[in-house]
Amino acid sequence: GQNIDQPTEMTATEGAIVQINCTYQTSGFNGLFWYQQHAGEAPTFLSYNVLDGLEEKGRFSSFLSRSKGYSYLLLKELQMKDSASYLCAAPNSGYSTLTFGKGTMLLVSP
Amino acid sequence: DAGVTQSPTHLIKTRGQQVTLRCSPKSGHDTVSWYQQALGQGPQFIFQYYEEEERQRGNFPDRFSGHQFPNYSSELNVNALLLGDSALYLCASSPGHSSYNEQFFGPGTRLTVL
Repeated sequence: GQNIDQPTEMTATEGAIVQINCTYQTSGFNGLFWYQQHAGEAPTFLSYNVLDGLEEKGRFSSFLSRSKGYSYLLLKELQMKDSASYLCAAPNSGYSTLTFGKGTMLLVSP
Repeated sequence: DAGVTQSPTHLIKTRGQQVTLRCSPKSGHDTVSWYQQALGQGPQFIFQYYEEEERQRGNFPDRFSGHQFPNYSSELNVNALLLGDSALYLCASSPGHSSYNEQFFGPGTRLTVL
């Protein structure tokens, strides 16, 4: 089976940097996804890591360490619109379907 | 280019009833997956359809069934509704069913069971 763990809630201030951690235990490894989900909306793709290291995309970066079963999402220059749930997810046994963590609710305050 | 679409947006049913939810995948996508998302939780995988067959199934009872049509659209059926079936039902499509295919999610159907 697959087990994905991430903090339930985080708070941060506008303009700051926040790191959202994710630890995983999977049967086989086929990469790790991060999605953003605003309240009442569909999850939207942020990043996909399959190799170790940091991948940067504008204000968002994602890091993976396969040996440690660990990933994080780094959000820089936080904006109010970044208030959302951030979901860490792993593919199921080579399929495109995903096992999600419970999500980290990020609240950005002025 | 239309993304993934789902209907209806919201639905209210009573216990014991049956419900059908619909999904049209993103243009060019042939694989459809369904997820259930309870309030405050991450989405949970229900099943995936590819070439009109169920290819993978999550830990959901037989009350949950589905279908994929030749145009790749899909339906999710839930029989004998329980209060615990109240959730946001998400459809996701992908261009194939391998693990490297990003899934694109629809806006979801909010089901309330009274």
